Amino acid sequence: EPEVTQTPSHQVTQMGQEVILRCVPISNHLYFYWYRQILGQKVEFLVSFYNNEISEKSEIFDDQFSVERPDGSNFTLKIRSTKLEDSAMYFCASSGRGRNPLWSTEAFFGQGTRLTVV
Amino acid sequence: QKEVEQNSGPLSVPEGAIASLNCTYSDRGSQSFFWYRQYSGKSPELIMSIYSNGDKEDGRFTAQLNKASQYVSLLIRDSQPSDSATYLCAVLGGTSYDKVIFGPGTSLSVIP
Repeated sequence: EPEVTQTPSHQVTQMGQEVILRCVPISNHLYFYWYRQILGQKVEFLVSFYNNEISEKSEIFDDQFSVERPDGSNFTLKIRSTKLEDSAMYFCASSGRGRNPLWSTEAFFGQGTRLTVV
Repeated sequence: QKEVEQNSGPLSVPEGAIASLNCTYSDRGSQSFFWYRQYSGKSPELIMSIYSNGDKEDGRFTAQLNKASQYVSLLIRDSQPSDSATYLCAVLGGTSYDKVIFGPGTSLSVIP
């Protein structure tokens, strides 16, 4: 069964460093997402990406964050100058949804990357 | 007003009983609704999606949607200890309905 894969599973970084979290969405899916979940808190939307551009982003997704689809399979989240409060689980998701509303809007999640900023 | 609200729980039910999970949402324009299950330390796993008013059944799970009341529910029949997890209600929303918005989740504990 197709699945979303994320690497690495755990990343430890020093405060102020840049990190890149990587995701391979399900093949032929068109919508890609990044979410984060701070320990004990809710799953928070960061950004959605469609047709090689950001579709929507949250207030959390400021200039510190960027996303990229560098090739036909990978989808990355870059966090510049990491802060202690960036420590969280980061989830990538994808859905088969396109602009045709009949296509599935179900989003499937990867296993997550646990980011620890020290 | 929060976009998606759920009772945080914890909800405890005995094994074999019916667990009932509830959710309300604020955006009347939302058309897609989801239930995810999340085990501790794991990623959200899609259980059900529902798009039309009424009931949708899949095995032991039944999702119910009432758009007029902006209410979504999930029933789990014959609850098993393996159903113990946090259940996340989610709604497709946002300015362009381009994001899946999660509620805070309801923690369910099924007691053997």
